[in-house]
Amino acid sequence: KNEVEQSPQNLTAQEGEFITINCSYSVGISALHWLQQHPGGGIVSLFMLSSGKKKHGRLIATINIQEKHSSLHITASHPRDSAVYICAALDNYGQNFVFGPGTRLSVLP
Amino acid sequence: EAQVTQNPRYLITVTGKKLTVTCSQNMNHEYMSWYRQDPGLGLRQIYYSMNVEVTDKGDVPEGYKVSRKEKRNFPLILESPSPNQTSLYFCASSLSRSSYEQYFGPGTRLTVT
Repeated sequence: KNEVEQSPQNLTAQEGEFITINCSYSVGISALHWLQQHPGGGIVSLFMLSSGKKKHGRLIATINIQEKHSSLHITASHPRDSAVYICAALDNYGQNFVFGPGTRLSVLP
Repeated sequence: EAQVTQNPRYLITVTGKKLTVTCSQNMNHEYMSWYRQDPGLGLRQIYYSMNVEVTDKGDVPEGYKVSRKEKRNFPLILESPSPNQTSLYFCASSLSRSSYEQYFGPGTRLTVT
């Protein structure tokens, strides 16, 4: 069974800082999903990637399939980025997602 | 507006009383899925569906049923709810399983007493 870990668990940053959240998994996967959960509980999909790098606005996601590792970067962080960030690994059979425990990010003004 | 809707948003019920949480999407997505989220355990997949009449178990299917008779709807059925099914439930859909990001519903907070 795939084990998905994230680091750090909690992160506090000052507005404008560059932020990196890491996700690692124990077995091969077909794709990795990055999610953002707002303080109110709603979940928004950020990226789904199986190789390389994707960018959307100030967010960048990278994945190294061989090293079983993905990172989510936020450039020029803002208080509205405060949320829980969750990665989810889709197994090689494409059968189901296994989620990481989440990283709680607080960006202070 | 493209969206995934869930009903009800909040529900308090008693042990053993059958209930259904509905999920509907208006994006013609093939893939739909149900998750539960619990403190300390995070999100876990309950069931998923690749297309109409095709469903399969996720990590925690015990005590739940699903059906996919139409592409847009994917209800979650608790035949005999128990207190350990108290949780926050999310439905999600995507165009396909691995290539496209999932759209999540707003969540249903269920309490079973």
